[in-house]
Amino acid sequence: DTGVSQDPRHKITKRGQNVTFRCDPISEHNRLYWYRQTLGQGPEFLTYFQNEAQLEKSRLLSDRFSAERPKGSFSTLEIQRTEQGDSAMYLCASSLGLNNEQFFGPGTRLTVL
Amino acid sequence: ELKVEQNPLFLSMQEGKNYTIYCNYSTTSDRLYWYRQDPGKSLESLFVLLSNGAVKQEGRLMASLDTKARLSTLHITAAVHDLSATYFCAVDRNSGGSNYKLTFGKGTLLTVNP
Repeated sequence: DTGVSQDPRHKITKRGQNVTFRCDPISEHNRLYWYRQTLGQGPEFLTYFQNEAQLEKSRLLSDRFSAERPKGSFSTLEIQRTEQGDSAMYLCASSLGLNNEQFFGPGTRLTVL
Repeated sequence: ELKVEQNPLFLSMQEGKNYTIYCNYSTTSDRLYWYRQDPGKSLESLFVLLSNGAVKQEGRLMASLDTKARLSTLHITAAVHDLSATYFCAVDRNSGGSNYKLTFGKGTLLTVNP
């Protein structure tokens, strides 16, 4: 399978715990994005990387959130001290080239109890 | 701030009928994307529209882009039940090709009834 993969697919955690999600983009894609989607809404941009450089972060991304993309390959998104409002689907996407067609992974559904 | 508005947000239609979903956006952009999302699933890329006047068709779906009007349409021809899904349009700020994040509309939930 050469698509975008994400792990885990589901995560249930208690408020205050830390969680980490992983995204593996399509192998030759140099840009990687994280989005968050809540029920009934479109995805909202969180952050993106070009190779290993994090080029933009949304204001939605509080200081409890951190993302990395070491060596420009896979990426991790960590949420510290989770809150119930963090419950959402976290989507990863990757793209290559000027047309910027983004291919999305299956998502990680986070539930904070 | 770039805003993307879709209408309608909910669309219930009968099989065999035609309908159009509209996507308006607030600032200049030459790149517009349509995605499909099935319940509980991720987003599937449908169309990439890269210039004014672009038109693309796949099966019963046709998308077009008018950058001067900041409007894209997704036209459904002779709807079938399998088209039932949520459709999103998204735009990126093509300011010199340096901004690639997508801003999405709220989505149109399409239900095709027999």
